[in-house]
Amino acid sequence: AQSVTQLDSQVPVFEEAPVELRCNYSSSVSVYLFWYVQYPNQGLQLLLKYLSGSTLVKSINGFEAEFNKSQTSFHLRKPSVHISDTAEYFCAVSDWDFGNEKLTFGTGTRLTIIP
Amino acid sequence: NAGVTQTPKFRVLKTGQSMTLLCAQDMNHEYMYWYRQDPGMGLRLIHYSVGEGTTAKGEVPDGYNVSRLKKQNFLLGLESAAPSQTSVYFCASGFRGPSGANVLTFGAGSRLTVL
Repeated sequence: AQSVTQLDSQVPVFEEAPVELRCNYSSSVSVYLFWYVQYPNQGLQLLLKYLSGSTLVKSINGFEAEFNKSQTSFHLRKPSVHISDTAEYFCAVSDWDFGNEKLTFGTGTRLTIIP
Repeated sequence: NAGVTQTPKFRVLKTGQSMTLLCAQDMNHEYMYWYRQDPGMGLRLIHYSVGEGTTAKGEVPDGYNVSRLKKQNFLLGLESAAPSQTSVYFCASGFRGPSGANVLTFGAGSRLTVL
């Protein structure tokens, strides 16, 4: 069975500082990996995804994540955060189990940007 | 472009009452999902559908029923509401892209309180 662990439930960061949100997963098969973002009082939005190919994937607003198969990790990073990045971030893993695709979410990391 | 629309956005129920949450998508997606979001627990899958007329149980299906009579609509029903069903409910729809991965689009959420 697959699982997703987000090690930090809350991460406070000063504006313009770098940030890393950690995500580890367990799965017995090849996976697809996602980061979704939830801004206050909104639904989740896809931030970036790893499906295949280059292990480093990037979003349009400066976030990037690297798929590390040996460490089973998909950490999210940004070199300089802005107030507008305040949100909750969810890591998710998708794999196939007896012909059915299963998407599992982590418990989320609340990113708070301090002015 | 509406995407995924959930109604109602807010609802307060008394224990034992019934209600239906409606999810509508205009993207012609085959897959639809209902999740609940509770503090510290991330998103948990209640029920899902891989096509019109089909439904399946997710991680936490007890106390809920669903129907997918039309491709664009996915209804979540509570027959006898309980305080444990107080939560924020999210509907999502998805399609399987060329890579085989299912990318989800979420609605804005429905906040349900059961007294």
